Amino acid sequence: QVQLVQSGAEVKKPGTSVKVSCKASGYTFNDYYIHWVRQAPGQGLEWVGRITPNSGGTSYALKFQGRVTMTRDTSINTAHMELSRLRLDDTAVYYCARGDYTGSPIPHHAFDIWGQGTMVNVSS
Amino acid sequence: QSALTQPASVSGSPGQSITISCTGTSSDVGNYNLVSWYQQHPGKVPKLQIFEVRKRPSGVSDRFSGSKSGNTASLTISGLQAEDEGDYYCSSYAGSSTWVFGGGTKVTVL
Repeated sequence: QVQLVQSGAEVKKPGTSVKVSCKASGYTFNDYYIHWVRQAPGQGLEWVGRITPNSGGTSYALKFQGRVTMTRDTSINTAHMELSRLRLDDTAVYYCARGDYTGSPIPHHAFDIWGQGTMVNVSS
Repeated sequence: QSALTQPASVSGSPGQSITISCTGTSSDVGNYNLVSWYQQHPGKVPKLQIFEVRKRPSGVSDRFSGSKSGNTASLTISGLQAEDEGDYYCSSYAGSSTWVFGGGTKVTVL
């Protein structure tokens, strides 16, 4: 079945970096965008950015530009999100989510499949 | 890229209908028919309920419907059931390959 499986929970110190992975299965990885969304404890969803697996092209929310880097390894159908210069308020569950088919002439701009989430705890 | 505005909470009795609003700007909700809605139960992963303002993915109950007027989109849940309790988030395409979410609405079935 179509699924996204993420890497395990992380505990990090402020000022360091974290890299979260998202492995796709059940569909052609190169054919769909991968988005990253985070959710701080008790808070709402926040869009972080998107990567195009085929080309590696990225788009980031203004808030994270300069601190986030999204990459992919097409040989293992995996997308990565690295967040640097971590702050206490980066503590959140980070989700990867599948976006549109990259070849769609009429994109839906919705996220239909979600990973299970990765808890990142930034603590001194 | 400011978050879309949703009411913090909405409640209703079983069988009733409730509506959740999602207000954005002319740069996001008002400019694109690309609003989606997500249901999230406590401790669970968000689930797509509505896309492109009013379309339902396969398997989503027709008790869920979406609409939009100007800069405000709405999600209506008809025939409210206990299983509908949870948090609901709207999202809109905001141009230039960016997206924005709403702050979320907690739905309580009385």
